[in-house]
Amino acid sequence: GQNIDQPTEMTATEGAIVQINCTYQTSGFNGLFWYQQHAGEAPTFLSYNVLDGLEEKGRFSSFLSRSKGYSYLLLKELQMKDSASYLCAVIDNDYKLSFGAGTTVTVRA
Amino acid sequence: NAGVTQTPKFRVLKTGQSMTLLCAQDMNHEYMYWYRQDPGMGLRLIHYSVGEGTTAKGEVPDGYNVSRLKKQNFLLGLESAAPSQTSVYFCASTREVEWETQYFGPGTRLLVL
Repeated sequence: GQNIDQPTEMTATEGAIVQINCTYQTSGFNGLFWYQQHAGEAPTFLSYNVLDGLEEKGRFSSFLSRSKGYSYLLLKELQMKDSASYLCAVIDNDYKLSFGAGTTVTVRA
Repeated sequence: NAGVTQTPKFRVLKTGQSMTLLCAQDMNHEYMYWYRQDPGMGLRLIHYSVGEGTTAKGEVPDGYNVSRLKKQNFLLGLESAAPSQTSVYFCASTREVEWETQYFGPGTRLLVL
């Protein structure tokens, strides 16, 4: 089975940087995802990592270390619209996609 | 191109009633997933499918059944609804191995009284 852990809540100031950590233990690993979900809406895809290292997409970056079962999502130059839940998910060798409980990020002015 | 659609958007059931939730995608995606989302618990996988005619159990399959008779549709059935099945249900689809193509439907809010 999958065990995916991430912090419940984080608060940061507009313009700052926030790092959301995710640790996982899985039976088989085929990649790790990050999603953004605003209240009352569906999740939207942010990133996918299957190899170790950092992937950068504009203000968002995602890092993966497979040997440590660890990933982080880095949000730079925070904007008010970045206030949302951020979901870490892992897909196994059977293509079963499982999610952590999510991290609620609140951006303050 | 409508993406991923879910029908209905909202439903109220009485305990013991049955219903079917429909997820439809027009992107020719192979993989489709059904999740439920409850406060503080994130998304939990109910069932999923890696192709037409195939289904597999997720983390919380009890009380639900699914079918994937056509590639574009993934149906989630509740045989005898229970108050514990009150939740928001999301469907997702993706093209095989092209994970950046993944999309979620808008969700179905189900209330079981």
